[in-house]
Amino acid sequence: GQQLNQSPQSMFIQEGEDVSMNCTSSSIFNTWLWYKQDPGEGPVLLIALYKAGELTSNGRLTAQFGITRKDSFLNISASIPSDVGIYFCAGVSQGGSEKLVFGKGMKLTVNP
Amino acid sequence: DAGVIQSPRHEVTEMGQEVTLRCKPISGHNSLFWYRQTMMRGLELLIYFNNNVPIDDSGMPEDRFSAKMPNASFSTLKIQPSEPRDSAVYFCASSFIRNYGYTFGSGTRLTVV
Repeated sequence: GQQLNQSPQSMFIQEGEDVSMNCTSSSIFNTWLWYKQDPGEGPVLLIALYKAGELTSNGRLTAQFGITRKDSFLNISASIPSDVGIYFCAGVSQGGSEKLVFGKGMKLTVNP
Repeated sequence: DAGVIQSPRHEVTEMGQEVTLRCKPISGHNSLFWYRQTMMRGLELLIYFNNNVPIDDSGMPEDRFSAKMPNASFSTLKIQPSEPRDSAVYFCASSFIRNYGYTFGSGTRLTVV
């Protein structure tokens, strides 16, 4: 089945640092989404991208839809302790159904 | 908007018992998804419904798992009989237009002992 390769799998950073994570696929995706999951909760949508090359910001978050439509990245600037959690990329493949394909997630730890 | 509501939040049951997880999607959403999350496998899609009709159940592990959506505001996921390897967090999500992403519930943490 389709898979999204998300890297890195985990990161440990100091408060105030920037962090970047990315997601790649072997097939073309029409939509890229980034979710964050807090402990004990379900994933929450952070940013949605719909066009190749699109760059979207949401506060300290910036995400881009890769030109090849096979990758996306998420940047978090000036990290704060509440950024801790698991970040998932997800996508809707070209010609795909309603199903989102999820990456394995990246666990972020922010040291105060 | 109350979001996607799942119950119970936690369930501990003995092996062999029947377990029923419940989900109330967001009003107006026409697609509903059941996911299972474990450390080893991450988020796995079990089944999804569109307009209350099951569209794809290829992710359902085996015949012990079944899901229903009798109306637009309610869905159940049943495991009978339950086994320890079913222990996981089960999420329900709903959406209106797929490109806008899904809204997830808070999940049900199932422990089968």
